[in-house]
Amino acid sequence: DAEITQSPRHKITETGRQVTLACHQTWNHNNMFWYRQDLGHGLRLIHYSYGVQDTNKGEVSDGYSVSRSNTEDLPLTLESAASSQTSVYFCASSESGTANEQFFGPGTRLTVL
Amino acid sequence: GEDVEQSLFLSVREGDSSVINCTYTDSSSTYLYWYKQEPGAGLQLLTYIFSNMDMKQDQRLTVLLNKKDKHLSLRIADTQTGDSAIYFCAVAGMDSSYKLIFGSGTRLLVRP
Repeated sequence: DAEITQSPRHKITETGRQVTLACHQTWNHNNMFWYRQDLGHGLRLIHYSYGVQDTNKGEVSDGYSVSRSNTEDLPLTLESAASSQTSVYFCASSESGTANEQFFGPGTRLTVL
Repeated sequence: GEDVEQSLFLSVREGDSSVINCTYTDSSSTYLYWYKQEPGAGLQLLTYIFSNMDMKQDQRLTVLLNKKDKHLSLRIADTQTGDSAIYFCAVAGMDSSYKLIFGSGTRLLVRP
């Protein structure tokens, strides 16, 4: 069955370290998204991509970057982790030209000490 | 920018109906969505409504859309303990039909 996976599921790191969170989908979807979820804020969009080599900033993109070298993967990199980036991160994907249903991964809980 | 508001918490007794409300400021969205998040899991699409519809029914779920008041609601009939979760309303952003703006979520607690 097609799916969307994230790794790692849990990560503890130190302030200033570079961290990369992986997202992989097997639906062959064009669109991929990264969100962070914090209490009281719901989900906020970090970065998104509408296809290979396409990346765009969301509402909370500072301190994060993404790259899209193939259809299946959209890794999220924290260049220099900060305590404010402690959060749960969700990846999602959707297909263009449909009802835009976004399929979500199980999430990565990141703690920055 | 687009803003989506939801109440934070709702508690109902098992077997009763639950109504979760959502308001949004402006939207060119063709579709409006309800997602469910169970503890420790990602979001799962429950249902969506096309913007030219007023109501959509899907088994125990009823979605009502009032475009004039920019109000979306989700009614769950015969609420069960398994319905306890966080429910998110989402609409498309003004600048793109593929980006979604989510509300902060309503935590539904179903009491036995």
